[in-house]
Amino acid sequence: GAVVSQHPSRVICKSGTSVKIECRSLDFQATTMFWYRQFPKQSLMLMATSNEGSKATYEQGVEKDKFLINHASLTLSTLTVTSAHPEDSSFYICSGAWTRAVEQFFGPGTRLTVL
Amino acid sequence: DAKTTQPTSMDCAEGRAANLPCNHSTISGNEYVYWYRQIHSQGPQYIIHGLKNNETNEMASLIITEDRKSSTLILPHATLRDTAVYYCIVRPATDSWGKLQFGAGTQVVVTP
Repeated sequence: GAVVSQHPSRVICKSGTSVKIECRSLDFQATTMFWYRQFPKQSLMLMATSNEGSKATYEQGVEKDKFLINHASLTLSTLTVTSAHPEDSSFYICSGAWTRAVEQFFGPGTRLTVL
Repeated sequence: DAKTTQPTSMDCAEGRAANLPCNHSTISGNEYVYWYRQIHSQGPQYIIHGLKNNETNEMASLIITEDRKSSTLILPHATLRDTAVYYCIVRPATDSWGKLQFGAGTQVVVTP
């Protein structure tokens, strides 16, 4: 199957700082990328959907000014958590797919800890 | 609203078949049944999907009832590495991918 990578795999930052997470499709062009968040012992919750070259569509309750998503190319999407707070500590997972793809391909996730 | 319901957890003995049920009584005619699994602290992994017919691949088999209101994922010979949360998801059969609605899933623990 196609491969999606995320960087970094783990990040610890101080409260008030911004953190950028990269999501790359290594062997395919992802026309659509998704960002999910997963708190401990909970399921994945979709945060936003982005199509290459377009603004991201955020799910209800997700602050677009806090979670900045950029999908500038068909192989790279970034999620920037601005002014991070301890409640933003979570497991962030991206995924990608192309039109008519049989499945959506997930990255390995990024563990964010805000102190 | 949850579109699928699954048992919260189930145990399975290593080497035995694991049968994971899923109810999707409100499924539409143009919706697929997808199964993903998530091993602890990893991203979800695709297992299998189907529309009407039963499907089999190298990982699992998917049995869909004739009325399509429920399905069963079968792991034929469970191993310890199959311990994971298994998600049953319905997804419209469109060309473009929309969001996947993850429910709580079933925590499967395979024991020696």
